Amino acid sequence: DQQVKQNSPSLSVQEGRISILNCDYTNSMFDYFLWYKKYPAEGPTFLISISSIKDKNEDGRFTVFLNKSAKHLSLHIVPSQPGDSAVYFCAAAVDRTGGYNKLIFGAGTRLAVHP
Amino acid sequence: KAGVTQTPRYLIKTRGQQVTLSCSPISGHRSVSWYQQTPGQGLQFLFEYFSETQRNKGNFPGRFSGRQFSNSRSEMNVSTLELGDSALYLCASSSGLANEQFFGPGTRLTVL
Repeated sequence: DQQVKQNSPSLSVQEGRISILNCDYTNSMFDYFLWYKKYPAEGPTFLISISSIKDKNEDGRFTVFLNKSAKHLSLHIVPSQPGDSAVYFCAAAVDRTGGYNKLIFGAGTRLAVHP
Repeated sequence: KAGVTQTPRYLIKTRGQQVTLSCSPISGHRSVSWYQQTPGQGLQFLFEYFSETQRNKGNFPGRFSGRQFSNSRSEMNVSTLELGDSALYLCASSSGLANEQFFGPGTRLTVL
C-alpha cells in the first residue's frame, strides 16, 4: 500500500517556465514533508521541507505547498533551469521519537528541463 | 565537513550469499537510516539506528539486519541473498532531531 504517491513518472518543461511536481499521501498522521532531488549515481539531495502546521514554504526558486484537507503537496520551481533536470522524490514522516527519521518516499518524478 | 560515505560503491554477489554494507555518517550525526531503491519503486525505509539502538524499522524480512557502532558508523547485512535484493542501498544520516537527512552515494548491489 503506497502511502505516498507521485502519479507523474515524468515531466518535461521549457527553460524559464514553471515546473510543478505533485505528490499525494494517504496517511493523515504524516506531519512533516520533504522534497529531495536525485541525479544518477548520486544519493538524494535535500531540497525543501514543510511542517503540517504550514501551508507554504519558500526557498529561492523552490516553493512547496501543502493542502492537508486534500492530502496533497506540490513543489514549484520558478524559473526552471536545465540543471534542475533530475528525479524528484516526495517524502513524508510521522514524528514518533522526536526525530523525523523514518521517511516514506514516493516513486519519484523525472523532470527534464529543455532549452 | 565530509559527507556521508558508503562502501563499497558496487558489489556483485550470487544467490544464497550474504553481504555487509558500510556507512559512515557526517561527523556529529548520531542517526543513521538505511533505504533500498529498486527500479520503479521509491526509496523504501529499512531501519534507523540512533546511539547504537534500532529506533525505527521498515517492513523487510529478517534477512535484513543492521547495527551501529559507538562512533555512529553503521553496517547493514543481508543474508541468503535473493535476486530481488538487487538494488541501490542508500544510507542517510541526521543529528537525530527533527531535521532533514543527508544521503550518501549508495551501494549498488547486484545479485546473480
